[in-house]
Amino acid sequence: SAVISQKPSRDICQRGTSLTIQCQVDSQVTMMFWYRQQPGQSLTLIATANQGSEATYESGFVIDKFPISRPNLTFSTLTVSNMSPEDSSIYLCSGLKLAGRTDTQYFGPGTRLTVL
Amino acid sequence: AQTVTQSQPEMSVQEAETVTLSCTYDTSESDYYLFWYKQPPSRQMILVIRQEAYKQQNATENRFSVNFQKAAKSFSLKISDSQLGDAAMYFCAYRDDKIIFGKGTRLHILP
Repeated sequence: SAVISQKPSRDICQRGTSLTIQCQVDSQVTMMFWYRQQPGQSLTLIATANQGSEATYESGFVIDKFPISRPNLTFSTLTVSNMSPEDSSIYLCSGLKLAGRTDTQYFGPGTRLTVL
Repeated sequence: AQTVTQSQPEMSVQEAETVTLSCTYDTSESDYYLFWYKQPPSRQMILVIRQEAYKQQNATENRFSVNFQKAAKSFSLKISDSQLGDAAMYFCAYRDDKIIFGKGTRLHILP
């Protein structure tokens, strides 16, 4: 199994500023992902965090707005840059453990971001 | 592109009764995984049950079971003996190289 923690758990930010969210896994995971979730809505994949290389972004998400780092197999950061009220959402980190044909994807508790 | 559809935005069930949540998906792949995740108000996503597409046998985890119909691309979740702690948002998910989630079904348990 894997336990994922995120910091901060919530924040209120001013328009135009940036926030970096940290994701820590208690054991090594093969892949890490970042999702966005509006309250009461489904999860939308932002990007796959790749260790030692640039993240792979989904359509509609760009590196300049959401820079991601993954320096090792247990840690990743997501920065929300130049924030606007439309960025208010819950951001979730996820880690995938692969073990042959068995794999499990774990999720952090999320970071609730409010942009004023 | 793969899609996951949950046609029931909300459902209610009496405590101790059985409820079935529906999910359909669309894919041209033959090898993939399907999941049901539970998200309570705490926001923590919890894996409820998983199904490998190559397995014909339906997965079961205690009170939770699935009805996997590969040809129909259907993957429903049955919760037996519903408990108050089962109240949550339930997401059906599909994965080949990345997970795609349905829009979710909010399940209410009536005491």
